[in-house]
Amino acid sequence: KAGVTQTPRYLIKTRGQQVTLSCSPISGHRSVSWYQQTPGQGLQFLFEYFSETQRNKGNFPGRFSGRQFSNSRSEMNVSTLELGDSALYLCASSLPSGGAWSYEQYFGPGTRLTVT
Amino acid sequence: GNSVTQMEGPVTLSEEAFLTINCTYTATGYPSLFWYVQYPGEGLQLLLKATKADDKGSNKGFEATYRKETTSFHLEKGSVQVSDSAVYFCALTFVTGGFKTIFGAGTRLFVKA
Repeated sequence: KAGVTQTPRYLIKTRGQQVTLSCSPISGHRSVSWYQQTPGQGLQFLFEYFSETQRNKGNFPGRFSGRQFSNSRSEMNVSTLELGDSALYLCASSLPSGGAWSYEQYFGPGTRLTVT
Repeated sequence: GNSVTQMEGPVTLSEEAFLTINCTYTATGYPSLFWYVQYPGEGLQLLLKATKADDKGSNKGFEATYRKETTSFHLEKGSVQVSDSAVYFCALTFVTGGFKTIFGAGTRLFVKA
């Protein structure tokens, strides 16, 4: 079974631009979470989607948004990029186990965003 | 609120040494606890998990026990190998509507031959 895929793997943007990152979860997984990883702040939760609905959001400004499609693929968008948005953006998918969630997450390789 | 604190690294050990990476947490409710590992140049992988108090998670020789009384989930391995060199993240996942995961800062482990 294919793992979580993220595209693009690397991206260079200029301040003020916007960017869209894509994530395809493992087949059958319906929950997708996004994280930002930086050397200074570590891994920080951005948001979680399930069945096209955002169920949770982290403490990020409104410039960070996302969505999930009916096939569980997800995108996140960052508008008006700032230098501090340079980071590795990780996507993870999860599957309920039996009648309950196990909450273990399967991560993609990430998209490395550099803002200049 | 919910938070995870893990020991700062880097931790440098010789091959076959005993490893402990401390992790403590604060949480409301009953979170699930995880250790994830990030090998050089790779993404995060689940190493082990525990979903309730006194559960012991284990994988690849690594173990961690969910201790509610001490709010801890320390990672241990009896004999490390060079191939264990990586960054280890302690994490807790809790339910709030959907679910949310909080990660510790990560501990880098170097194992010398």
